[in-house]
Amino acid sequence: AQSVAQPEDQVNVAEGNPLTVKCTYSVSGNPYLFWYVQYPNRGLQFLLKYITGDNLVKGSYGFEAEFNKSQTSFHLKKPSALVSDSALYFCAVRFNTNAGKSTFGDGTTLTVKP
Amino acid sequence: DTAVSQTPKYLVTQMGNDKSIKCEQNLGHDTMYWYKQDSKKFLKIMFSYNNKELIINETVPNRFSPKSPDKAHLNLHINSLELGDSAVYFCASSQDSPSSYNSPLHFGNGTRLTVT
Repeated sequence: AQSVAQPEDQVNVAEGNPLTVKCTYSVSGNPYLFWYVQYPNRGLQFLLKYITGDNLVKGSYGFEAEFNKSQTSFHLKKPSALVSDSALYFCAVRFNTNAGKSTFGDGTTLTVKP
Repeated sequence: DTAVSQTPKYLVTQMGNDKSIKCEQNLGHDTMYWYKQDSKKFLKIMFSYNNKELIINETVPNRFSPKSPDKAHLNLHINSLELGDSAVYFCASSQDSPSSYNSPLHFGNGTRLTVT
């Protein structure tokens, strides 16, 4: 069964510092991995995805993520955090089975303090 | 020019009532979804339709009935509402090929359902 874990409920960083939001997934074939962001009272917005190829993928708003197959991880990173990055972040996985169902992690709340 | 739009944005109703939530997408996507986000912000898929055909039906009470009149619309009807149905319901869509599900989901802004 496919599953996604976000081990941290909350991540706090100071503005200007690098940020990392962690995600690991269960191994079952070749996953497609996604990061989404949710601002208050809004739907999820797509940030970036990994399909194949280069393990480092770049996405919207200066975010990037590194796929690590041996550690089954897909951590979200940004070199310099902004206060406006404060939001709820979800990692998700899809496979070419099970009708492509997206399975989401439980979410990580990122707070960037000035 | 909202890509995925849901109505209503807020829905407050009493236990036992029947209500519907509507969703429309103008992205030309073939697949649409309903997700439920509970008070802890956990997201759970409820249903998925591809070209008006039901392809994912998670363990959801049969009081919940989705309907897709065409591939741009996916509505959710809920009978005999219960307190535990209170949540935010999100509609989403994606464009997938039959052999590759690597497209991201596009979400609406949600419908906050409160059952009193």
